Amino acid sequence: QKEVEQNSGPLSVPEGAIASLNCTYSDRGSQSFFWYRQYSGKSPELIMSIYSNGDKEDGRFTAQLNKASQYVSLLIRDSQPSDSATYLCAGTLGWVNDYKLSFGAGTTVTVRA
Amino acid sequence: DAGVTQSPTHLIKTRGQHVTLRCSPISGHKSVSWYQQVLGQGPQFIFQYYEKEERGRGNFPDRFSARQFPNYSSELNVNALLLGDSALYLCASSTTTDTQYFGPGTRLTVL
Repeated sequence: QKEVEQNSGPLSVPEGAIASLNCTYSDRGSQSFFWYRQYSGKSPELIMSIYSNGDKEDGRFTAQLNKASQYVSLLIRDSQPSDSATYLCAGTLGWVNDYKLSFGAGTTVTVRA
Repeated sequence: DAGVTQSPTHLIKTRGQHVTLRCSPISGHKSVSWYQQVLGQGPQFIFQYYEKEERGRGNFPDRFSARQFPNYSSELNVNALLLGDSALYLCASSTTTDTQYFGPGTRLTVL
């Protein structure tokens, strides 16, 4: 079983809609979670981090963490064509595991104008 | 402030050769991590260094090695290159927390 899994996608949404991305993880010891955005041919760019159960909002992005159910999600509101990218979910066990980031395979999002 | 820098940007090698990739972390960051990303997959952890000491190693063969210098820059070395080593190699820097910031990457092609 992979440490972090993402719904495979790809996801296509119309401009202005909400894009919903999901991620599950297998290790209950995981402490911190991150969403990275990766444009084609570029490196991952950090967009959100979340450490506690509940929601965390940053502009049009909302991350949700549920440690009991072992899932993390990302909502992108008012999706724009510039949001078209691959979104990577990552988790870490923190100091116990040397802060190694374990990534999912990514979900590719396309926003249709 | 400058972000994470990596060199070279692109590299083409043939099987059996050796390659050295370089990374300079964000100023003030003492930890550097290396990841390999093959097409269609998420990055896979290779190494992490903190204060010049290896803190973690992923499931990669001994052909992969790394080191960190007193100025916190780092090198990743890969010996006896295989076709399967073709990938985007990412360097990430961090402070003492787990928030990692990635450099632009080095795209390695092995022919």
